[in-house]
Amino acid sequence: DIQMTQSPSTLSASVGDTVTITCRASQSLSRWLAWYQQKPGKAPKLLVSKTSNLESGVPSRFSGSGSGTEFTLTISSLQPDDFAIYFCQEYNTYYPTFGQGTKLEIK
Amino acid sequence: QVQLQESGPGLVKPSETLSLTCSVSSDSMNYYYWTWIRQPAGKRLEWIGRVYSSGSTNYNPSFKSRVTMSVDTSKNQFSLKLSSVTAADTALYHCAREDCGGDCQSGHWYVDLWGRGTLVTVSS
Repeated sequence: DIQMTQSPSTLSASVGDTVTITCRASQSLSRWLAWYQQKPGKAPKLLVSKTSNLESGVPSRFSGSGSGTEFTLTISSLQPDDFAIYFCQEYNTYYPTFGQGTKLEIK
Repeated sequence: QVQLQESGPGLVKPSETLSLTCSVSSDSMNYYYWTWIRQPAGKRLEWIGRVYSSGSTNYNPSFKSRVTMSVDTSKNQFSLKLSSVTAADTALYHCAREDCGGDCQSGHWYVDLWGRGTLVTVSS
């Protein structure tokens, strides 16, 4: 299994801040990594695929980068709607694994 | 916009079989994998397996001996059966869709659409 370690577990920030969430993999993923946003009671939403491909309709303040074993999701100029849980998913192998999630909360 | 909706019993007895169905609000299920993912309370998401529109399957080795997935494209539904359940199978179960992002030859598929999830509790 590929182990995904996501950090931090909790992140406190204010509207307008820029924040970065990191996922580290136990082995190289090339660029096969996706990021999701989840809000309570709602279906998770795909934000980024293949490390940096922003999904249609996702604001450009979201961006992904990285390769190999270290990947980041950056959210610039935080908006009130951005406070949620974020998690990564590797899909390098035939069965994917997930990071443990980062709760982005209002400071 | 395509939506996914899970349905099935919210309570299953230990040693019995958990059965869930996902309804897909789309005219076609072709060219995607259809997937089940679960999240026990306080734990990370866990990928259970996938079924293609043709019926071919891949399963997480952790579940392989207990899991069966199937698809009924005429009804726009796919299903999960997990046998011999224990309390450890209590979780929020999501159905989802996997896409290849236009690069299917690569063999890499990511989840591009999720259902909200349905809570299944295993208890007598």
